[in-house]
Amino acid sequence: AQSVTQLDSQVPVFEEAPVELRCNYSSSVSVYLFWYVQYPNQGLQLLLKYLSGSTLVKGINGFEAEFNKSQTSFHLRKPSVHISDTAEYFCAVSVVGTGNQFYFGTGTSLTVIP
Amino acid sequence: DVKVTQSSRYLVKRTGEKVFLECVQDMDHENMFWYRQDPGLGLRLIYFSYDVKMKEKGDIPEGYSVSREKKERFSLILESASTNQTSMYLCASSWQGSYEQYFGPGTRLTVT
Repeated sequence: AQSVTQLDSQVPVFEEAPVELRCNYSSSVSVYLFWYVQYPNQGLQLLLKYLSGSTLVKGINGFEAEFNKSQTSFHLRKPSVHISDTAEYFCAVSVVGTGNQFYFGTGTSLTVIP
Repeated sequence: DVKVTQSSRYLVKRTGEKVFLECVQDMDHENMFWYRQDPGLGLRLIYFSYDVKMKEKGDIPEGYSVSREKKERFSLILESASTNQTSMYLCASSWQGSYEQYFGPGTRLTVT
């Protein structure tokens, strides 16, 4: 089974500051990578995904992530956060060719401070 | 827009009761999934289904069963609810061959 590590369980950041949420995974085989966001009392919404091609992927709400195969990482970044970005963020991995089964990290709670 | 709905947002049940959580999707997705979400543990897969009447165990199937009689509906069943099944339950669906899962709003189940 895959292992997905989100090292930071909580990240406080001031409004308009940049933020990076870290994600590392265990697989040495080909994977698909995802970031989901969960706003309070809601389900998960896809922020962005990496399937193939350019290692820098852009998502919704100004977020982007970079796939680094050698470091098995997929860190999420935003250059300037807003209050509305306060939410829980989940990194997920799916191994290529194994169907649609996802492995999720434990989540990072981002709090944007006014 | 894809819509995944779950029958209840909040549910309170007593220990030993049989509990049904329903999930319906309106986009003709082949794949459907049930997860539970607990603080510090993220999302863990309970069961999933690739087709009608088909089911596969996920990482934590003990104490749960599922039913998929129609393509759009995937039910999670707690045969005899226990307090350690108090959790947030999330349903998701996706097209076959697509790697994007669409999530419902979740059901917060409390077992007392």
